[in-house]
Amino acid sequence: GAVVSQHPSWVICKSGTSVKIECRSLDFQATTMFWYRQFPKQSLMLMATSNEGSKATYEQGVEKDKFLINHASLTLSTLTVTSAHPEDSSFYICSARDRGQPNEKLFFGSGTQLSVL
Amino acid sequence: TQLLEQSPQFLSIQEGENLTVYCNSSSVFSSLQWYRQEPGEGPVLLVTVVTGGEVKKLKRLTFQFGDARKDSSLHITAAQPGDTGLYLCAGARNYGGSQGNLIFGKGTKLSVKP
Repeated sequence: GAVVSQHPSWVICKSGTSVKIECRSLDFQATTMFWYRQFPKQSLMLMATSNEGSKATYEQGVEKDKFLINHASLTLSTLTVTSAHPEDSSFYICSARDRGQPNEKLFFGSGTQLSVL
Repeated sequence: TQLLEQSPQFLSIQEGENLTVYCNSSSVFSSLQWYRQEPGEGPVLLVTVVTGGEVKKLKRLTFQFGDARKDSSLHITAAQPGDTGLYLCAGARNYGGSQGNLIFGKGTKLSVKP
């Protein structure tokens, strides 16, 4: 099946630094990728939709200047948490849509646990 | 706003018992998906239901999409400790040919004790 690779799996950083998370579709082209945030024991909250070659669409309440998304190629989207603060600590997950699959299946990365000290 | 209400939020049962998880909405979805997530990992797709009234089976798991495509259920027969995990339902928000963005339920944390 299709594979989505997300890196890093976990990252610890100091408050005020920026962290970049990568999401790659390994064996299919993904014109659309999604970024989610998940708090412990809670469900996924969609943050933004990343479209290849165009600006990302952010959900209400998500700061676009805080969470920078770049989808420069059909296989790579990046999420940069700028000037991270402890409240940004969370589990971040990406997903990619495989248009080659029936019903345009969505495949998820393994997630990135971000801890801001 | 299309919301998906998932219940129960927590479920702790003994091995061998049956259980049902529900996902309800007042809105119609073009399709609905069920995922299972392990701690520290991304969700893994279990099934997608598209047609109202559709029933799909995956070994001991039975998934049903309501006739009106507003609700869905996941039934597990003879639960095993390996079934332990977070189960998420997700509805497709857009219509037409594209699946569109997904709206997730809050999840059901299932614990099956040996």
